[in-house]
Amino acid sequence: EAQVTQNPRYLITVTGKKLTVTCSQNMNHEYMSWYRQDPGLGLRQIYYSMNVEVTDKGDVPEGYKVSRKEKRNFPLILESPSPNQTSLYFCASRQGGSYNEQFFGPGTRLTVL
Amino acid sequence: RKEVEQDPGPFNVPEGATVAFNCTYSNSASQSFFWYRQDCRKEPKLLMSVYSSGNEDGRFTAQLNRASQYISLLIRDSKLSDSATYLCAVRLGRGSTLGRLYFGRGTQLTVWP
Repeated sequence: EAQVTQNPRYLITVTGKKLTVTCSQNMNHEYMSWYRQDPGLGLRQIYYSMNVEVTDKGDVPEGYKVSRKEKRNFPLILESPSPNQTSLYFCASRQGGSYNEQFFGPGTRLTVL
Repeated sequence: RKEVEQDPGPFNVPEGATVAFNCTYSNSASQSFFWYRQDCRKEPKLLMSVYSSGNEDGRFTAQLNRASQYISLLIRDSKLSDSATYLCAVRLGRGSTLGRLYFGRGTQLTVWP
């Protein structure tokens, strides 16, 4: 089944404790992205990647890191999480081309205490 | 100025009603346009792409007005199952932003019996 998977789905952590949210897609897509979704603010892009070893900042990259060492994986790293990073996070992927559908993972609900 | 502006609603309509959502975008270089549907706390899923000539999928009709820089979604004969949040999305067509998909904040629709 073609899909984007994220782990963990739910995470409660404390300020300053480094964490990684994994994202993997099995569709051989070139593009991958991370978004956060907050009430009243909608979906905001954190980082995106156009291919292996090619990443760029989105609208809200502060406090996050990413890497794209393999085409299928695009982990999101929070080196020192803070309470303002409490949010619902979505990973997404798509093939190149203007109208190719973007597929989203199921989301990771992160709470930073 | 946000790339994509969308009326957040909420829209509350009876079954059978026709409802329309609009979304404006700020960058005239925008090339691809989409409507996504998001059920509560779940990942967004593509509802339909929006093509220059307009397109229809059953009860759903999408229109693009490049001159005024807006896209619209019309839902006819609303069903209870149409209750969700509808997100418009816009992709620029060139340069380093080719990978970025900009989302509106979403319009919440509730269809009541």
